[in-house]
Amino acid sequence: EVQVVESGGGLIQPGGSLRLSCAASGFIVSSNFMSWVRQPPGKGLEWVSVIYSDGSTYYADSVKGRFTISRDNSRNTLFLQMKSLRAEDTAVYYCAKDLFWNTISGVLTLPQSWGQGTLVTVSS
Amino acid sequence: DIQMTQSPSTLSASVGDRVTITCRASQTISRWLAWYQQRPGKAPNLLIYQASNLESGVPSRFTGSGSGTEFTLTISSLQPDDFATYYCQQYNTYSRTFGQGTKVEIK
Repeated sequence: EVQVVESGGGLIQPGGSLRLSCAASGFIVSSNFMSWVRQPPGKGLEWVSVIYSDGSTYYADSVKGRFTISRDNSRNTLFLQMKSLRAEDTAVYYCAKDLFWNTISGVLTLPQSWGQGTLVTVSS
Repeated sequence: DIQMTQSPSTLSASVGDRVTITCRASQTISRWLAWYQQRPGKAPNLLIYQASNLESGVPSRFTGSGSGTEFTLTISSLQPDDFATYYCQQYNTYSRTFGQGTKVEIK
C-alpha cells in the first residue's frame, strides 16, 4: 500500500529555517514524481514544488530561492528545506506521490496519494 | 501563471440533489485538469484526472467533463459523505495552480 507520512513541522520565527520530511512506504521515492502542496489555515491549496524521477526540480514563484526539494534514496524519504521563512509561509504542508504522463511537450504530473500533512507556523 | 476560477464559491444542497461545479482556466489547458475533494481536517482526495477519468475507488456518481478552458464536476445524487470542499487543479504546466475551492454545504 502506498503511504507517505510528513513530519518536521512546528513553530519557527520569521527568518528562520525548517526541514520537513516525508517518509514513503509501498513505493520507491527515487523512481517516482513527488510534490509538496501547502494550505494556509482556513484557505485554499497552493502547489509548492515537485521533483521528477530524473532529479529535476521546480518551484512556485512564491518560494523560489528559499525552499529546496530533495530526496534521500537510502531512506526512501522526501524533504523540503525551507529558509528565510515568512509569516505567509504558515500552512499545513502536504507531500504527495504524483501520477505522471509523458507527453509531446514533456512530463506532466499530478498529486495522487497524499499524506496527512504537517503544520508550519511562522510567528514571533 | 494560469489562473483557475471556480464557481460557485459556496453551494447549499440537500441529500439526493444533482450538483454541478464549474472551473474556468485563464488559458487553454487541453484536458489536463483534476478535481479533489477535501473534508475538514483531512488531506485532499483525488477524484478525477484528465478532466473525466475517475480515480480508482471513487463512486460513479462523480463525473467530470470539459476541455480547453471550461470544465465541470457533477455529483449525480449528493450523499452525506459528499459535503466537503472541492478544488480543481490544472497541471498543463509545471507551475500547477488550484481553483479557490467550492464548499458544498447542507441546505
